[in-house]
Amino acid sequence: GAGVSQSPSNKVTEKGKDVELRCDPISGHTALYWYRQSLGQGLEFLIYFQGNSAPDKSGLPSDRFSAERTGGSVSTLTIQRTQQEDSAVYLCASSGTSGVTDTQYFGPGTRLTVL
Amino acid sequence: AQSVTQPDIHITVSEGASLELRCNYSYGATPYLFWYVQSPGQGLQLLLKYFSGDTLVQGIKGFEAEFKRSQSSFNLRKPSVHWSDAAEYFCAVGVRLGGTSYGKLTFGQGTILTVHP
Repeated sequence: GAGVSQSPSNKVTEKGKDVELRCDPISGHTALYWYRQSLGQGLEFLIYFQGNSAPDKSGLPSDRFSAERTGGSVSTLTIQRTQQEDSAVYLCASSGTSGVTDTQYFGPGTRLTVL
Repeated sequence: AQSVTQPDIHITVSEGASLELRCNYSYGATPYLFWYVQSPGQGLQLLLKYFSGDTLVQGIKGFEAEFKRSQSSFNLRKPSVHWSDAAEYFCAVGVRLGGTSYGKLTFGQGTILTVHP
């Protein structure tokens, strides 16, 4: 597609439920990043994919969070047993290569609300 | 660890006035610096980036930023603000980790820009 897309755009869930957030990067982009944007913590790095592997998962806040990427394209971020503190906007970005100098193109985000 | 500070949470300017948004970073080596803009309900868009060379970098939408190593700063400027510039602006630093580099960005808290007509 023309840009990074994310779905759903909004997700409301009940505490304790599992949620899946999807990211479709720009076609051909090998690097994919997940970030979280919350009022208390600002914008935080969660995980980085190069192809289908995740060399850096250091930003995942707990073992309830996991992510995968298949076919070097679509990525899914899964949050198990959601908690109210998981409420945030989850942003996905992709870049053509993994270099730090390469521009990251961001999707519009998924706003997650945990009741 | 690296960090980024944007001292101004909210700035209000009149349309046509000049703008400067402040950004200070903390990092032991030469940083890779970025400015992003986020309009309501939108993802982040890259305005400009600095890696090396000329310390004054030009970006999109008439923005520029100047890297000052002595002050650990990377302030964003625009000579004349338009109403459409109202948005939230984020400064970020990327680092080189080990033998490779990848775009793990550390962001500042953001500065909300309001433009009065």
